[in-house]
Amino acid sequence: KAGVTQTPRYLIKTRGQQVTLSCSPISGHRSVSWYQQTPGQGLQFLFEYFSETQRNKGNFPGRFSGRQFSNSRSEMNVSTLELGDSALYLCASSFSGTSGRDTQYFGPGTRLTVL
Amino acid sequence: AQSVTQPDIHITVSEGASLELRCNYSYGATPYLFWYVQSPGQGLQLLLKYFSGDTLVQGIKGFEAEFKRSQSSFNLRKPSVHWSDAAEYFCAVVAGGYQKVTFGIGTKLQVIP
Repeated sequence: KAGVTQTPRYLIKTRGQQVTLSCSPISGHRSVSWYQQTPGQGLQFLFEYFSETQRNKGNFPGRFSGRQFSNSRSEMNVSTLELGDSALYLCASSFSGTSGRDTQYFGPGTRLTVL
Repeated sequence: AQSVTQPDIHITVSEGASLELRCNYSYGATPYLFWYVQSPGQGLQLLLKYFSGDTLVQGIKGFEAEFKRSQSSFNLRKPSVHWSDAAEYFCAVVAGGYQKVTFGIGTKLQVIP
């Protein structure tokens, strides 16, 4: 079974631009979560989607948004990029996500650099 | 709200030596606990998880972890470290349902010959 894939793997943008990252979950998985990883803050939860609905949201500004499609693929968007948005963005999928026991499988991440 | 503390940011061990990575959590009830490993340029891989039952949990790559309720700890151990174990290790907690995971800051492991 193929793992979680994220595209693109690397991205360079300038301040003020917007960016869209994509995540394809493992086949059959319906829950997709997004995390931001930075050296200073570590791994921080952004949001989680299930059946095209956002079920959980972390403490990030409204510039960070996401969506999920009917095939469970997910995208996250960051508008008006700031230097501090430079990070590794990780996507994780799980079967249903309705229980904390569901194992999350992580993709390799998208490395975003904002200049 | 739940929180996770990994008190050691960096640890250096010799190849063949034993390893213990510390993790303390804060939560009112018994949470679900996880250890993940991240190699450079890679995503996170699940090493092991604890939900309930036996407090000693076996994972992949020869790792194990012990849940101690009285100490709110979930320390990761390995009896003999290999050079390929050099990576960053994250302890994580899920409290309640859904997939809102709280991660520790991570412990970077260096293995010297």
